[in-house]
Amino acid sequence: ETGVTQSPTHLIKTRGQQVTLRCSSQSGHNTVSWYQQALGQGPQFIFQYYREEENGRGNFPPRFSGLQFPNYSSELNVNALELDDSALYLCASSLDGNSKNIQYFGAGTRLSVL
Amino acid sequence: RKEVEQDPGPFNVPEGATVAFNCTYSNSASQSFFWYRQDCRKEPKLLMSVYSSGNEDGRFTAQLNRASQYISLLIRDSKLSDSATYLCVVKTGNTGKLIFGQGTTLQVKP
Repeated sequence: ETGVTQSPTHLIKTRGQQVTLRCSSQSGHNTVSWYQQALGQGPQFIFQYYREEENGRGNFPPRFSGLQFPNYSSELNVNALELDDSALYLCASSLDGNSKNIQYFGAGTRLSVL
Repeated sequence: RKEVEQDPGPFNVPEGATVAFNCTYSNSASQSFFWYRQDCRKEPKLLMSVYSSGNEDGRFTAQLNRASQYISLLIRDSKLSDSATYLCVVKTGNTGKLIFGQGTTLQVKP
């Protein structure tokens, strides 16, 4: 167990809807990174939050947004859902924003967009 | 060209076999290298970090060749429980952004 928890575990939405995914980081970790994993692919970096500020972003459109709270838990919001947004969404926590720190993954939220 | 490239396999091997996976990366400024293991429909878990000097953890040996931008993973005496997808991962830049390969699927058969 990594101590990183994500909710919900599964979600079904329809095109055009909005979704919020949640992540609680491991105790003592102040950095959360979010990844999207499509079927048969490796995870792709969406963005990272360090001490409540965005600290790097991957090649995802602005309808993917995030938030980190003072307790370092985090949310990923996706607006105007598209069919291609169907994927496993993973969050990973690490000790701080330093690139040397190992990232520990939660079990993920499986999103299906119909 | 993908930033991290792996042969997706699948690799089907008998128990006890030795199997090797390779991976190449495109950014010469990459700083850290890892192998993660992912079981079906589960999250990736860190298997081992990879160092230029090579490192070993039991039946697993990882190697990094910075000049060729090439990473390898060797699994000796394969067990049924080694069946999984192995993800080659590179970390570049100050944010700790992880760049994953597509993953290589290993199936160990009795």
